[in-house]
Amino acid sequence: GAGVSQSPSNKVTEKGKDVELRCDPISGHTALYWYRQRLGQGLEFLIYFQGNSAPDKSGLPSDRFSAERTGESVSTLTIQRTQQEDSAVYLCASSWEYGEQYFGPGTRLTVT
Amino acid sequence: AQKITQTQPGMFVQEKEAVTLDCTYDTSDPSYGLFWYKQPSSGEMIFLIYQGSYDQQNATEGRYSLNFQKARKSANLVISASQLGDSAMYFCAMRAKNTGTASKLTFGTGTRLQVTL
Repeated sequence: GAGVSQSPSNKVTEKGKDVELRCDPISGHTALYWYRQRLGQGLEFLIYFQGNSAPDKSGLPSDRFSAERTGESVSTLTIQRTQQEDSAVYLCASSWEYGEQYFGPGTRLTVT
Repeated sequence: AQKITQTQPGMFVQEKEAVTLDCTYDTSDPSYGLFWYKQPSSGEMIFLIYQGSYDQQNATEGRYSLNFQKARKSANLVISASQLGDSAMYFCAMRAKNTGTASKLTFGTGTRLQVTL
């Protein structure tokens, strides 16, 4: 079976532009998470979706960041008016409600 | 709030030897889960092992074992018989709830392990 997939794998954008990052979770997983990993650092939680519950947005660093999820499938993380400090690897993970999280390969975002 | 501390930025171990990667945690939640993930240079995060706060025995998965000392709030990862392919970043993480609805992971800053011949 397919694992978590993310696209694009790499994205270079100019400061001030908007970007959309996509995550396809493992089929049937009810929970989906977004994390950010800056160079040489650990993962920072951004947002998670669990079934039909309201998403936990407590990790979003500013109102320039938003995310949506369609049912229990694809999620899109949008960063508006990108800044250089947004440069990082954005990792998506999915899980069963009680299970360990399986991560995608990440999207490396570079803001120039 | 949860906090994970990994005090070893880098570790070296000889092939076939055992190595312990340290992890301490802080939480006020009585129910939590502890995880270890491996991140090779390719960047993917690979789940290794899980320990629940109420589990009576230390978790083991093949060459990986978790030395869980609840009173000391430590959850060290032990890798036995190290292999060259074990060279990677290792992250300790905690989830606030052991059971129940899924919730976010709080990660430490990681330990870079280098296995030498």
